[in-house]
Amino acid sequence: RKEVEQDPGPFNVPEGATVAFNCTYSNSASQSFFWYRQDCRKEPKLLMSVYSSGNEDGRFTAQLNRASQYISLLIRDSKLSDSATYLCVVNSQAGTALIFGKGTTLSVSS
Amino acid sequence: GEEVAQTPKHLVRGEGQKAKLYCAPIKGHSYVFWYQQVLKNEFKFLISFQNENVFDETGMPKERFSAKCLPNSPCSLEIQATKLEDSAVYFCASSQFTSAGGSPLHFGNGTRLTVT
Repeated sequence: RKEVEQDPGPFNVPEGATVAFNCTYSNSASQSFFWYRQDCRKEPKLLMSVYSSGNEDGRFTAQLNRASQYISLLIRDSKLSDSATYLCVVNSQAGTALIFGKGTTLSVSS
Repeated sequence: GEEVAQTPKHLVRGEGQKAKLYCAPIKGHSYVFWYQQVLKNEFKFLISFQNENVFDETGMPKERFSAKCLPNSPCSLEIQATKLEDSAVYFCASSQFTSAGGSPLHFGNGTRLTVT
């Protein structure tokens, strides 16, 4: 089983739609969770950290379910500029690196 | 500096040649990470440093790849005798604390290595 697994998509949604991405991780001892965003041919950028109680940043909501080893990202009121690849990131078993999922591609159209 | 600085932006090498990539972490960040991304596929972790000490090298290929972070110098990733499959974007990232402590990574723009 891969350390971090994501549905690659693509998710094709119209502007204004709500879309959710899921991610599962294999290491039950993981403590740090993040969502990153990568635009074509560019470096990944931190979208948000994911906290145990769940957290929200504007149109973005992240949830963590430790029992199921599952992380989610919800995007409300999608914008064209949200089109990107969303990467689920979890710290490694040793805690010495961050492990990336393959990413979920989102395409928002007008 | 305020950003992770990677050089060069692009690097072209013939098979069998050496490639050397550089990374200057954000000032004050103690941890440096190297990742390889082949053709927009997943990020493969290569190696991490805590200051000049290797922190985790479990992702480094046993042959041909080496890396260093020396005091007062940019960190470097060197590939001896490059192969076609080494063609990728190599990203460097830095963080203030360990990833287990919840510290996110800040990435440089990457070096695109093309082996011909």
